[in-house]
Amino acid sequence: DTAVSQTPKYLVTQMGNDKSIKCEQNLGHDTMYWYKQDSKKFLKIMFSYNNKELIINETVPNRFSPKSPDKAHLNLHINSLELGDSAVYFCASSQDLGGRVSGNTIYFGEGSWLTVV
Amino acid sequence: SQKIEQNSEALNIQEGKTATLTCNYTNYSPAYLQWYRQDPGRGPVFLLLIRENEKEKRKERLKVTFDTTLKQSLFHITASQPADSATYLCALVSGPGGFKTIFGAGTRLFVKA
Repeated sequence: DTAVSQTPKYLVTQMGNDKSIKCEQNLGHDTMYWYKQDSKKFLKIMFSYNNKELIINETVPNRFSPKSPDKAHLNLHINSLELGDSAVYFCASSQDLGGRVSGNTIYFGEGSWLTVV
Repeated sequence: SQKIEQNSEALNIQEGKTATLTCNYTNYSPAYLQWYRQDPGRGPVFLLLIRENEKEKRKERLKVTFDTTLKQSLFHITASQPADSATYLCALVSGPGGFKTIFGAGTRLFVKA
């Protein structure tokens, strides 16, 4: 059973296109995230949602729009893709916001490799 | 500004030796510090967590220390094996509710047989 699953795993697209990455977690967690890992391997938080409510938005361009239809899903839509958007995007979840129970242990998906050409 | 620093150079050690990885931070007051392992082409996997009021934590061959005065954590793998070869990420959990997790860039560990 995959705890955090995201699709697609690989995505190659042209500049200017719009694309979406879907994410689902079956852990019953309240909090979900999108992280971006660039070519230098830095893992940077983009968004955090708790029970479908946006908690963190880390100065990400407006072209990136997360959507959480329910607390088990957090999708990422990207408009007008640019070359600099090429990276690995990780969806993740944690049990609770604030880590009072879990210490905010984060469970990651396997990543979506986005290449913009 | 806030920084998390891990050795950017890869660490090469011989099988059976103890690997020690360092995580230093500035301008943070983390509630927790975590260590994750990331294999090529995979997502990070949680290994250990240590709280701000704890000095040391152990799990099997892994040991983490946390010195809030030095603002440093050390991550040790004893009796290292080639299967331990991976990138190890340090992460700080901070914020009023502990809801923000910030990752270091990671240190690549190679264990030679």
